[in-house]
Amino acid sequence: GENVEQHPSTLSVQEGDSAVIKCTYSDSASNYFPWYKQELGKRPQLIIDIRSNVGEKKDQRIAVTLNKTAKHFSLHITETQPEDSAVYFCAGGGSGSARQLTFGSGTQLTVLP
Amino acid sequence: ETGVTQTPRHLVMGMTNKKSLKCEQHLGHNAMYWYKQSAKKPLELMFVYSLEERVENNSVPSRFSPECPNSSHLFLHLHTLQPEDSALYLCASSQEAPTSSPLHFGNGTRLTVT
Repeated sequence: GENVEQHPSTLSVQEGDSAVIKCTYSDSASNYFPWYKQELGKRPQLIIDIRSNVGEKKDQRIAVTLNKTAKHFSLHITETQPEDSAVYFCAGGGSGSARQLTFGSGTQLTVLP
Repeated sequence: ETGVTQTPRHLVMGMTNKKSLKCEQHLGHNAMYWYKQSAKKPLELMFVYSLEERVENNSVPSRFSPECPNSSHLFLHLHTLQPEDSALYLCASSQEAPTSSPLHFGNGTRLTVT
Protein backbone atom coordinates (compact mmCIF):
# COMPACT_ATOMS: atom_id res chain seq x y z
CA GLY A 1 0.00 0.00 0.00
CA GLU A 2 0.84 3.68 -0.04
CA ASN A 3 3.01 5.35 2.60
CA VAL A 4 2.95 9.15 2.92
CA GLU A 5 5.44 11.02 5.09
CA GLN A 6 4.98 14.69 5.96
CA HIS A 7 7.48 17.25 7.30
CA PRO A 8 7.79 19.27 9.41
CA SER A 9 5.36 18.30 12.16
CA THR A 10 5.29 21.88 13.46
CA LEU A 11 6.10 25.14 11.69
CA SER A 12 6.06 28.70 12.99
CA VAL A 13 6.40 31.69 10.67
CA GLN A 14 6.02 35.42 11.00
CA GLU A 15 2.97 36.99 9.43
CA GLY A 16 3.73 37.86 5.83
CA ASP A 17 6.42 35.22 5.43
CA SER A 18 6.06 32.07 3.33
CA ALA A 19 5.45 28.55 4.63
CA VAL A 20 6.43 25.30 2.91
CA ILE A 21 5.27 21.82 3.89
CA LYS A 22 6.68 18.75 2.18
CA CYS A 23 5.37 15.22 1.64
CA THR A 24 6.83 12.11 0.09
CA TYR A 25 4.95 9.06 -1.16
CA SER A 26 5.97 5.51 -1.93
CA ASP A 27 3.53 4.12 -4.53
CA SER A 28 4.22 5.26 -8.08
CA ALA A 29 0.62 4.32 -8.97
CA SER A 30 -0.72 7.23 -6.88
CA ASN A 31 -2.12 9.93 -9.13
CA TYR A 32 -4.08 12.28 -6.85
CA PHE A 33 -2.58 14.49 -4.13
CA PRO A 34 -4.91 16.72 -2.10
CA TRP A 35 -4.09 19.03 0.78
CA TYR A 36 -6.50 19.56 3.68
CA LYS A 37 -6.63 22.28 6.32
CA GLN A 38 -8.08 21.52 9.73
CA GLU A 39 -8.70 24.35 12.16
CA LEU A 40 -9.03 23.56 15.85
CA GLY A 41 -12.30 21.73 16.54
CA LYS A 42 -13.35 21.75 12.89
CA ARG A 43 -13.48 19.30 10.01
CA PRO A 44 -10.65 18.88 7.50
CA GLN A 45 -11.34 20.97 4.40
CA LEU A 46 -9.76 20.65 0.98
CA ILE A 47 -7.65 23.68 0.10
CA ILE A 48 -5.94 22.52 -3.09
CA ASP A 49 -5.25 19.32 -5.00
CA ILE A 50 -3.07 18.21 -7.87
CA ARG A 51 -3.13 15.27 -10.24
CA SER A 52 -0.11 13.45 -11.56
CA ASN A 53 -0.35 14.90 -15.07
CA VAL A 54 0.38 18.39 -13.70
CA GLY A 55 3.58 19.70 -12.11
CA GLU A 56 2.24 22.79 -10.35
CA LYS A 57 -1.07 24.37 -9.42
CA LYS A 58 -1.82 27.75 -7.85
CA ASP A 59 -4.83 29.26 -6.16
CA GLN A 60 -4.19 32.81 -4.93
CA ARG A 61 -1.68 32.52 -2.03
CA ILE A 62 -1.56 28.73 -2.13
CA ALA A 63 0.42 26.56 -4.53
CA VAL A 64 1.28 22.89 -4.77
CA THR A 65 4.18 21.37 -6.69
CA LEU A 66 4.60 17.73 -7.65
CA ASN A 67 7.76 15.86 -8.61
CA LYS A 68 6.72 12.42 -9.83
CA THR A 69 10.27 11.23 -10.39
CA ALA A 70 11.30 11.95 -6.82
CA LYS A 71 7.82 11.09 -5.48
CA HIS A 72 7.36 14.22 -3.47
CA PHE A 73 4.95 17.12 -3.41
CA SER A 74 4.89 20.37 -1.48
CA LEU A 75 2.44 23.00 -0.27
CA HIS A 76 3.51 26.63 -0.49
CA ILE A 77 1.63 29.40 1.31
CA THR A 78 2.78 32.95 0.59
CA GLU A 79 2.04 36.15 2.53
CA THR A 80 0.85 34.13 5.52
CA GLN A 81 -1.89 35.51 7.75
CA PRO A 82 -2.93 34.55 11.31
CA GLU A 83 -6.01 32.79 9.91
CA ASP A 84 -3.69 30.39 8.08
CA SER A 85 -2.83 28.89 11.49
CA ALA A 86 -4.15 25.30 11.44
CA VAL A 87 -3.09 21.70 10.93
CA TYR A 88 -2.37 20.85 7.30
CA PHE A 89 -2.57 17.28 5.97
CA CYS A 90 -1.26 15.98 2.70
CA ALA A 91 -2.57 12.78 1.11
CA GLY A 92 -1.78 10.55 -1.83
CA GLY A 93 -3.56 7.79 -3.71
CA GLY A 94 -6.35 7.40 -6.24
CA SER A 95 -5.17 4.55 -8.43
CA GLY A 96 -4.14 0.90 -8.52
CA SER A 97 -2.90 -0.52 -5.24
CA ALA A 98 -3.08 2.98 -3.77
CA ARG A 99 -6.69 3.57 -4.76
CA GLN A 100 -7.71 4.96 -1.37
CA LEU A 101 -6.08 8.08 0.02
CA THR A 102 -3.32 7.71 2.59
CA PHE A 103 -2.80 10.77 4.77
CA GLY A 104 0.36 12.27 6.16
CA SER A 105 0.70 12.87 9.89
CA GLY A 106 -0.05 16.59 9.68
CA THR A 107 1.80 19.88 10.16
CA GLN A 108 0.75 22.35 12.83
CA LEU A 109 1.32 25.76 11.23
CA THR A 110 1.38 28.79 13.51
CA VAL A 111 1.50 32.27 11.99
CA LEU A 112 2.83 34.76 14.51
CA PRO A 113 1.43 38.31 14.32
CA GLU B 1 -24.29 24.26 6.29
CA THR B 2 -22.20 21.25 5.52
CA GLY B 3 -23.05 18.63 2.90
CA VAL B 4 -22.00 15.88 5.34
CA THR B 5 -23.76 15.74 8.71
CA GLN B 6 -22.66 13.58 11.62
CA THR B 7 -24.48 12.83 14.85
CA PRO B 8 -23.89 12.89 17.72
CA ARG B 9 -21.09 15.47 18.01
CA HIS B 10 -19.93 14.03 21.33
CA LEU B 11 -20.40 10.58 22.83
CA VAL B 12 -19.26 9.12 26.12
CA MET B 13 -19.75 5.39 26.56
CA GLY B 14 -18.69 2.65 28.88
CA MET B 15 -16.84 -0.40 27.68
CA THR B 16 -19.97 -2.55 27.81
CA ASN B 17 -22.29 -0.14 26.01
CA LYS B 18 -23.62 -0.35 22.48
CA LYS B 19 -23.99 2.85 20.51
CA SER B 20 -24.16 3.99 16.89
CA LEU B 21 -22.70 6.91 14.97
CA LYS B 22 -24.70 8.33 12.09
CA CYS B 23 -23.60 10.09 8.93
CA GLU B 24 -25.68 11.61 6.16
CA GLN B 25 -24.47 13.25 2.95
CA HIS B 26 -26.51 15.59 0.75
CA LEU B 27 -24.00 15.87 -2.09
CA GLY B 28 -25.19 13.05 -4.34
CA HIS B 29 -21.90 11.23 -3.90
CA ASN B 30 -21.46 7.51 -4.52
CA ALA B 31 -18.77 6.74 -1.94
CA MET B 32 -18.74 7.12 1.83
CA TYR B 33 -15.96 6.58 4.35
CA TRP B 34 -15.24 6.24 8.05
CA TYR B 35 -11.93 7.65 9.33
CA LYS B 36 -10.46 7.59 12.83
CA GLN B 37 -8.45 10.63 13.97
CA SER B 38 -6.32 10.22 17.08
CA ALA B 39 -3.99 12.82 18.55
CA LYS B 40 -0.56 13.01 16.87
CA LYS B 41 -1.48 10.34 14.30
CA PRO B 42 -2.48 10.44 10.64
CA LEU B 43 -6.09 10.01 9.64
CA GLU B 44 -6.74 6.27 9.59
CA LEU B 45 -9.11 4.87 6.99
CA MET B 46 -11.51 2.36 8.54
CA PHE B 47 -14.16 1.52 5.96
CA VAL B 48 -15.12 2.47 2.42
CA TYR B 49 -18.51 2.02 0.79
CA SER B 50 -19.14 2.50 -2.91
CA LEU B 51 -22.74 2.42 -4.09
CA GLU B 52 -23.71 0.84 -0.76
CA GLU B 53 -21.20 -2.00 -1.07
CA ARG B 54 -18.26 -2.25 1.29
CA VAL B 55 -15.14 -2.09 -0.84
CA GLU B 56 -12.53 -1.75 1.88
CA ASN B 57 -12.09 -2.82 5.49
CA ASN B 58 -8.70 -1.82 6.81
CA SER B 59 -8.19 -4.53 9.44
CA VAL B 60 -10.62 -2.86 11.80
CA PRO B 61 -11.58 -4.82 14.95
CA SER B 62 -14.99 -6.44 14.85
CA ARG B 63 -16.19 -4.24 17.72
CA PHE B 64 -16.68 -1.64 14.96
CA SER B 65 -19.47 -2.62 12.56
CA PRO B 66 -20.40 -0.38 9.61
CA GLU B 67 -23.72 -0.24 7.84
CA CYS B 68 -24.65 1.58 4.64
CA PRO B 69 -28.39 1.22 3.94
CA ASN B 70 -28.28 3.60 0.95
CA SER B 71 -25.82 5.92 -0.77
CA SER B 72 -26.75 8.86 1.50
CA HIS B 73 -26.47 7.23 4.91
CA LEU B 74 -23.67 5.52 6.78
CA PHE B 75 -23.62 4.15 10.30
CA LEU B 76 -20.87 2.90 12.60
CA HIS B 77 -22.14 0.53 15.26
CA LEU B 78 -19.99 0.31 18.37
CA HIS B 79 -19.92 -2.41 21.04
CA THR B 80 -17.55 -3.47 23.80
CA LEU B 81 -15.07 -0.74 22.95
CA GLN B 82 -11.71 -0.18 24.63
CA PRO B 83 -10.34 3.08 26.08
CA GLU B 84 -7.84 3.28 23.20
CA ASP B 85 -10.80 3.60 20.83
CA SER B 86 -11.37 7.12 22.16
CA ALA B 87 -10.85 9.44 19.19
CA LEU B 88 -12.56 11.70 16.68
CA TYR B 89 -14.50 9.64 14.14
CA LEU B 90 -14.91 11.39 10.82
CA CYS B 91 -17.31 10.48 8.06
CA ALA B 92 -16.54 11.58 4.52
CA SER B 93 -17.99 11.25 1.05
CA SER B 94 -16.63 11.58 -2.46
CA GLN B 95 -18.00 11.35 -5.96
CA GLU B 96 -16.47 7.92 -6.44
CA ALA B 97 -14.09 5.35 -5.00
CA PRO B 98 -11.18 4.96 -5.73
CA THR B 99 -10.61 8.39 -4.30
CA SER B 100 -9.41 10.48 -7.20
CA SER B 101 -11.90 13.19 -6.30
CA PRO B 102 -12.08 15.41 -3.21
CA LEU B 103 -13.24 14.05 0.11
CA HIS B 104 -15.90 16.06 1.94
CA PHE B 105 -15.76 15.54 5.70
CA GLY B 106 -18.38 15.86 8.38
CA ASN B 107 -17.66 17.60 11.68
CA GLY B 108 -16.95 14.29 13.38
CA THR B 109 -18.07 12.55 16.55
CA ARG B 110 -15.76 12.95 19.54
CA LEU B 111 -15.91 9.54 21.23
CA THR B 112 -14.72 8.93 24.78
CA VAL B 113 -14.67 5.36 26.10
CA THR B 114 -14.56 5.13 29.88
